[in-house]
Amino acid sequence: EPEVTQTPSHQVTQMGQEVILRCVPISNHLYFYWYRQILGQKVEFLVSFYNNEISEKSEIFDDQFSVERPDGSNFTLKIRSTKLEDSAMYFCASSGGPGRLSSYNEQFFGPGTRLTVL
Amino acid sequence: GESVGLHLPTLSVQEGDNSIINCAYSNSASDYFIWYKQESGKGPQFIIDIRSNMDKRQGQRVTVLLNKTVKHLSLQIAATQPGDSAVYFCAEFGSGSQGNLIFGKGTKLSVKP
Repeated sequence: EPEVTQTPSHQVTQMGQEVILRCVPISNHLYFYWYRQILGQKVEFLVSFYNNEISEKSEIFDDQFSVERPDGSNFTLKIRSTKLEDSAMYFCASSGGPGRLSSYNEQFFGPGTRLTVL
Repeated sequence: GESVGLHLPTLSVQEGDNSIINCAYSNSASDYFIWYKQESGKGPQFIIDIRSNMDKRQGQRVTVLLNKTVKHLSLQIAATQPGDSAVYFCAEFGSGSQGNLIFGKGTKLSVKP
């Protein structure tokens, strides 16, 4: 069964450092997403990406964040200068289409990358 | 503003019993809801969805009920099994959004053998 994969599973970094979180979406999917989950809290939307550009972004996704699809398989989230409050689980998701029109548009989530900022 | 939340943070049930997990939402314009299951150390996994033109939808051992009058939905799990132990989230799409999922806070379901 196809699945979304993410690397690394755990990333530890010093405050102010740049981190890149990597995701390999399901191969025939066209829409890609990043969410984060601070420990014990709900999952929060960060950004959606389609056709090599950002479709939507939340207030959390400020200038310190960027996304990129550098090749045909990877989808990355970069945090330019990490802060303590960036510590969270970061989930990548992908879907065949947008919204809620059919099960084709179901968002499949990866296992997450736990980011710890010291 | 729009928000999706849950009534109870934890629920403990006996194996074989039925479980009911509740969710309240505030945006009366929401037209589509999803229940996700998140097992420890994993990402959210789609369970079942329902459109606002429906009151009930059934899957395998799961049923989602939607009451638009009181803006409430519930997830019913029949014959709960140890493998059902997880955190359950309801979610909806943000207004005008095609991909921005708004998650509730989650209910942790524990199944006692």
